[in-house]
Amino acid sequence: EVQLLAFGGGLVQPGGSLRLSCAASGFTFPYYAMTWVRQVPGKGLEWVALMTTGTETYYADSVKGRFTVSRDNSKNTLYLQMNSLRAEDSGLYYCAKGTSWQWLLLDYCGQGTPVTVSS
Amino acid sequence: DIQMTQSPSTLSASVGDRVTITCRASQSISSWLAWYQQKPGKAPKLLIYKASTLQSGVPSRFSGSGSGTEFTLTISSLQPDDFGTYYCQQYESYSCRFGQGTKLEIK
Repeated sequence: EVQLLAFGGGLVQPGGSLRLSCAASGFTFPYYAMTWVRQVPGKGLEWVALMTTGTETYYADSVKGRFTVSRDNSKNTLYLQMNSLRAEDSGLYYCAKGTSWQWLLLDYCGQGTPVTVSS
Repeated sequence: DIQMTQSPSTLSASVGDRVTITCRASQSISSWLAWYQQKPGKAPKLLIYKASTLQSGVPSRFSGSGSGTEFTLTISSLQPDDFGTYYCQQYESYSCRFGQGTKLEIK
């Protein structure tokens, strides 16, 4: 059974940093692209970042230059380093697994971890 | 950037009704369109991909159609478990964008 457990969220002041983690199990983690998606409570879904099976990374314009996605295949873990945080970065952050034929077709999403950026 | 627009934003229907949700892309996305269902407090769940292919395990009352810029999600006979918010998603190699969502309520 595929499981994706995101953690590391919390309350941080504007301008601060936070590192999210996503522990994956139930599939061969190195073989799949992984994605971060966020959601403001009561609002829609927003794609944040993509990490391919290699070293390629892609970001939404809203986070480019501030967020960094990475992965440790030996630990089956995906990360999101978030710097220079803004109030509009607040939300529930989900990690999601891509399919084997389309990186951004998300066949499993884990439960999210909440991030609140506020003074 | 490609924009995705769903309609309606909210929908109230009765058990047994046929329900249709529309998603429009600001430019052609071929058939690179997926539909997700999200229930309150839960993560999104993939229902349909490549505009019309049903994800494994999804009930056959769900179907998708369309290509280019206009797409539809149809539930042929609404069931009580189908409440939630539905999102379309355009996906390509390096980025994706979701529609704003359609909240489906059961009367």
